[in-house]
Amino acid sequence: AQTVTQSQPEMSVQEAETVTLSCTYDTSESDYYLFWYKQPPSRQMILVIRQEAYKQQNATENRFSVNFQKAAKSFSLKISDSQLGDAAMYFCAYNAGGTSYGKLTFGQGTILTVHP
Amino acid sequence: DAGVIQSPRHEVTEMGQEVTLRCKPISGHNSLFWYRQTMMRGLELLIYFNNNVPIDDSGMPEDRFSAKMPNASFSTLKIQPSEPRDSAVYFCASSNRQGSSTEAFFGQGTRLTVV
Repeated sequence: AQTVTQSQPEMSVQEAETVTLSCTYDTSESDYYLFWYKQPPSRQMILVIRQEAYKQQNATENRFSVNFQKAAKSFSLKISDSQLGDAAMYFCAYNAGGTSYGKLTFGQGTILTVHP
Repeated sequence: DAGVIQSPRHEVTEMGQEVTLRCKPISGHNSLFWYRQTMMRGLELLIYFNNNVPIDDSGMPEDRFSAKMPNASFSTLKIQPSEPRDSAVYFCASSNRQGSSTEAFFGQGTRLTVV
């Protein structure tokens, strides 16, 4: 079974600084998808960024980027120029692709605090 | 598109009562998922459907839980009888595999409190 581990229950960052959230996963699949979701206090799950395992290039979405290390099964999220609105719970998630059709396995989450 | 719509947003019920949570997926999506979020267990998948057919219900905790998807635009998650340990946020999500995309879109969740 696939597992996703986020080893940082909490992280904090100063506004305008950079922070990196860690995620590791375990799978025997060669083709899969990885995601970072943001959950603010409103509890809405918001997709931040997505990475396809077959792509070697790391995904980037504006201030958000990932460091995808397939051999190490590591998928970290870097937030640059942190903003107060980035404060939320962040979840790393895995999808096996194929017939799983979006079925996600989540990590435990990391609470990110942004200090002004 | 209005996104995934869940109702109610909040539900408070007494132990032993029946609870029904509702979900309308995004039009055109053919997969639907029910997740539960608690402090102790995090986000866990309860059941998912593909083309209205249940594919995997191994995450459903007990026989007290049941889910249906009578058509492509509606699903329910029912708990009967409810217990205090069922208190959680229940999310519905939908997806549609187009090309390489398997992104799941989430509703705003239903916060269930069983007293």
